[in-house]
Amino acid sequence: AQSVTQPDIHITVSEGASLELRCNYSYGATPYLFWYVQSPGQGLQLLLKYFSGDTLVQGIKGFEAEFKRSQSSFNLRKPSVHWSDAAEYFCAVGRSQAGTALIFGKGTTLSVSS
Amino acid sequence: DTGVSQDPRHKITKRGQNVTFRCDPISEHNRLYWYRQTLGQGPEFLTYFQNEAQLEKSRLLSDRFSAERPKGSFSTLEIQRTEQGDSAMYLCASSLGPNDWSQYFGPGTRLTVT
Repeated sequence: AQSVTQPDIHITVSEGASLELRCNYSYGATPYLFWYVQSPGQGLQLLLKYFSGDTLVQGIKGFEAEFKRSQSSFNLRKPSVHWSDAAEYFCAVGRSQAGTALIFGKGTTLSVSS
Repeated sequence: DTGVSQDPRHKITKRGQNVTFRCDPISEHNRLYWYRQTLGQGPEFLTYFQNEAQLEKSRLLSDRFSAERPKGSFSTLEIQRTEQGDSAMYLCASSLGPNDWSQYFGPGTRLTVT
């Protein structure tokens, strides 16, 4: 069965410092991978996605993620964090039949200190 | 593009009552999804539609839950005889189709069962 693990429940980063959020997935075939961000009281906003091709994908708000098949990982990165990036981040995997259900991790809460 | 909208944003109901939520997807998106999110967890898939056809239902969708998308546009999710365990955020998402299977989420409906 598919699963997504986000090992870090809560991360605190200083404003201006770099960020890496970890995501590991379990799925036999090539997965579809997503990162979403959720601010308090808000719905989920899509940051970026990987379907195929280049394993380094660029997203909105200066985020990027790298798909590493050998490590079953899809880590999210940002070179310089802004206070407005404080939110909850979810990694999700979709089945190979595209357009079906997404399986989400439990999320990582990002706090930004000044 | 007005995004996915959901109504109501908040609903407080007493145990045993029926509730209905509405979701309006992004125009021309032919797939529509429902998820449930409880505190500290990622969203969990409930069901999805391709136009008016309900293609998949999760085991989380008990007999008390029913979803419809009568004309392939908006969708409703009804919960009958609500229980306290139904308290959660109910999220709706839509996707365009074969050219882009990304799921775009609405703001959610927060249900509180007292």
